[in-house]
Amino acid sequence: EIVLTQSPGTLSLSPGERATLSCRASQSVGGSYLAWYQQKPGQAPRLLIYDASSRSTGIPDRFSGRGSGTDFTLTISGVEPEDFAVYYCQHYGTSPPYTFGQGTKLEIK
Amino acid sequence: QVQLQESGPGLVKPSETLSLTCTVSGGSFSGYYWSWIRQPPGKGLEWIGYIYYSASTNYNPSLKSRVTISADTSKNQFSLKLSSVTATDTAVYYCARGSMSSAYLYYWGQGTLVTVST
Repeated sequence: EIVLTQSPGTLSLSPGERATLSCRASQSVGGSYLAWYQQKPGQAPRLLIYDASSRSTGIPDRFSGRGSGTDFTLTISGVEPEDFAVYYCQHYGTSPPYTFGQGTKLEIK
Repeated sequence: QVQLQESGPGLVKPSETLSLTCTVSGGSFSGYYWSWIRQPPGKGLEWIGYIYYSASTNYNPSLKSRVTISADTSKNQFSLKLSSVTATDTAVYYCARGSMSSAYLYYWGQGTLVTVST
């Protein structure tokens, strides 16, 4: 089972600042099958990024993903007020179970 | 616009079977990955499993002995059964759809809270 470790646990930023969220896998994620989701309180998660770097439909271009193998990053180039939420990474592809990271909470500083 | 809606009892007694159905509207049912995910109150997300092409399934090993995911293509529905539940199975349960080739979770239902209690 691939274990995904996200860091930091909590990220405190002011609007307009750059956010960098990390997701590290315990073993290589084949095919870069890594997704990022955003979840706001009381809502279902929303897909932001799939295949490590492809933005989902309707996602603003301030969100970007990169990485391969065991190290992945989600970057928000300038955090907007609506971006404060919890972010999860998940791997999918050739090695079920398709585990999630424990989440990073992006909060207003 | 694809929409998913979970339905089922909100309260299940310990040792009984939790049964949920996800009804899909606004799109084709065949050929996609259909998944279940859960989230205990205040905690993170846990992948339960998926069904693909209405027959191929894959489950989280931590739940495998208790989980069954099935599909009824005539009704555009897929279902989750989780047997021998305990309080630790209390969670918001989500259904979700992936793509035709990958199991990332593109469309999500709103989620339904299932509480395991007497």
